[in-house]
Amino acid sequence: GAVVSQHPSRVICKSGTSVKIECRSLDFQATTMFWYRQFPKQSLMLMATSNEGSKATYEQGVEKDKFLINHASLTLSTLTVTSAHPEDSSFYICSALAGVDTDTQYFGPGTRLTVL
Amino acid sequence: GENVEQHPSTLSVQEGDSAVIKCTYSDSASNYFPWYKQELGKRPQLIIDIRSNVGEKKDQRIAVTLNKTAKHFSLHITETQPEDSAVYFCATLSYSGAGSYQLTFGKGTKLSVIP
Repeated sequence: GAVVSQHPSRVICKSGTSVKIECRSLDFQATTMFWYRQFPKQSLMLMATSNEGSKATYEQGVEKDKFLINHASLTLSTLTVTSAHPEDSSFYICSALAGVDTDTQYFGPGTRLTVL
Repeated sequence: GENVEQHPSTLSVQEGDSAVIKCTYSDSASNYFPWYKQELGKRPQLIIDIRSNVGEKKDQRIAVTLNKTAKHFSLHITETQPEDSAVYFCATLSYSGAGSYQLTFGKGTKLSVIP
């Protein structure tokens, strides 16, 4: 099946620093990737939809200048949390659509971000 | 936008018994209904899905039923085993505008299977 990787799996940073998370589709080309945030014991909340070669579409309430998304190739999307604060600590998960005629999303393993 | 309600939030069953988790949704245009299993700290894993032209789908011990008229769908796990213990999420796929579709997740059900 389709494999999605994320890097890093875990990151701890100081408040005010920026953190970049990579999401890669390993064995397929993903024209569309999604970024989710999941707080402890809560559901996945969609942050933004990322289409290769175009600007990401952000969900209401998600600051696009704080969560920078770049989908520069068909196999890579990056999420940069700028000037991170403790309230940004969360589990960030990406997913990818394996083609234009499918609605099945394959999820990455997630990145645990802890901001001190 | 789409609203997905999931019940119960927690469910404990004895090993070997069945477990049923139910979800309702609001957008009648939603046409794809996946179920995910998530173990602690890991990614959601797709376990079964159903599309709007099918009323029921089964895969070994797991089945999903869909009632489009009532806008609800359910996950059924039979002969539960301890390794079924996890958080289960339902989701719907709906049109979000500008040619995009998105998944909306329920709040999750923590299933505990007691040996």
